[in-house]
Amino acid sequence: DAGITQSPRHKVTETGTPVTLRCHQTENHRYMYWYRQDPGHGLRLIHYSYGVKDTDKGEVSDGYSVSRSKTEDFLLTLESATSSQTSVYFCAISYKQGAQPQHFGDGTRLSIL
Amino acid sequence: QQQVKQSPQSLIVQKGGISIINCAYENTAFDYFPWYQQFPGKGPALLIAIRPDVSEKKEGRFTISFNKSAKQFSLHIMDSQPGDSATYFCAASRSGNQFYFGTGTSLTVIP
Repeated sequence: DAGITQSPRHKVTETGTPVTLRCHQTENHRYMYWYRQDPGHGLRLIHYSYGVKDTDKGEVSDGYSVSRSKTEDFLLTLESATSSQTSVYFCAISYKQGAQPQHFGDGTRLSIL
Repeated sequence: QQQVKQSPQSLIVQKGGISIINCAYENTAFDYFPWYQQFPGKGPALLIAIRPDVSEKKEGRFTISFNKSAKQFSLHIMDSQPGDSATYFCAASRSGNQFYFGTGTSLTVIP
């Protein structure tokens, strides 16, 4: 299995609080991605990174921000969590855009009450 | 707007039978079509992928059939086993840029 660690694995928090999810990889891959998975929607891309300090928005980026200060770490922040952001969040990595399939972490289950 | 439409939502197959999951897309610029398998509590894992220059790709019991003119592709699981019980996602991408996923199919293989 690709070395991808997501933390925390589970989190329950209240509306309006800030939340940060962490993705750590040991593969030295250039590309990192954050997805959310919801019933009836499959996986949807939130943000992605194509290098240190290089990030871009995905399909559902509103309400989320990301940072990548090191190759191995990609952080997803919900500045002020809302109930609509209750979801399972997956990090994925890829060494080469276009050819290399993405490897996924095991997810973070986030509940916002 | 769902870029990739997947059906059925759920599927029950007898052990030894053939499982078939279908996906359709509209964007003719898509040039990479992977399938992922996901077990409960785990992230998706790449199962098999195809590019539009071939009509079929087979890896073991898993086969992708691709119909470029119809803009459809499907996953066939031959000799389905209980261990194949999982959720399957199709996806599409243009040059490895943003991947668009289907909504998933929950497969149950009955012993």
